[in-house]
Amino acid sequence: AQSVTQPDIHITVSEGASLELRCNYSYGATPYLFWYVQSPGQGLQLLLKYFSGDTLVQGIKGFEAEFKRSQSSFNLRKPSVHWSDAAEYFCAVAFGNEKLTFGTGTRLTIIP
Amino acid sequence: SAVISQKPSRDICQRGTSLTIQCQVDSQVTMMFWYRQQPGQSLTLIATANQGSEATYESGFVIDKFPISRPNLTFSTLTVSNMSPEDSSIYLCSVGASGAVDTQYFGPGTRLTVL
Repeated sequence: AQSVTQPDIHITVSEGASLELRCNYSYGATPYLFWYVQSPGQGLQLLLKYFSGDTLVQGIKGFEAEFKRSQSSFNLRKPSVHWSDAAEYFCAVAFGNEKLTFGTGTRLTIIP
Repeated sequence: SAVISQKPSRDICQRGTSLTIQCQVDSQVTMMFWYRQQPGQSLTLIATANQGSEATYESGFVIDKFPISRPNLTFSTLTVSNMSPEDSSIYLCSVGASGAVDTQYFGPGTRLTVL
């Protein structure tokens, strides 16, 4: 069965510092890959997605993610975080036209 | 992108009662999905609701407990029946044009507390 792993439950980053959130998946085929953000009390907002083509994907709010087939990874990055980036981040994958499978999430805390 | 609203935004219910959650989309969509997010957990798909057909439930979820209606292409309801404290969760609906492969857009969620 397909699975998604977000190894980091909680990450704390200083404002202005760079950020990388990890996501790994397990499955034989190349999946469709997504990153969502959930701010406190809010629904999920799509940050970016990868279906095919260029493995470096640009998203909203200055985020980017890189698909690495050899590592089965789709890590999310941002060069300089802002206090408003504090939220829960979910990686999700889908294979073919099957359901989205979500990782367990990474909670991001920003310190001044 | 689609704009999705859910009602109620939150509720506190007594054990044994039922709650119906509404999901309204500002445009016609083919597929609607209902998810559960238990406290501190990730999202788990409950069912997929297509207009004009029975909802498709994921393993561990049954129609008697979570009946779903999808009367048209912009609206769906999820009922949480005979509630217990274990049903305390955030329930989210999402929409997609053609299934999981397409981007899903999420509503703000309904925070349910069962006493």
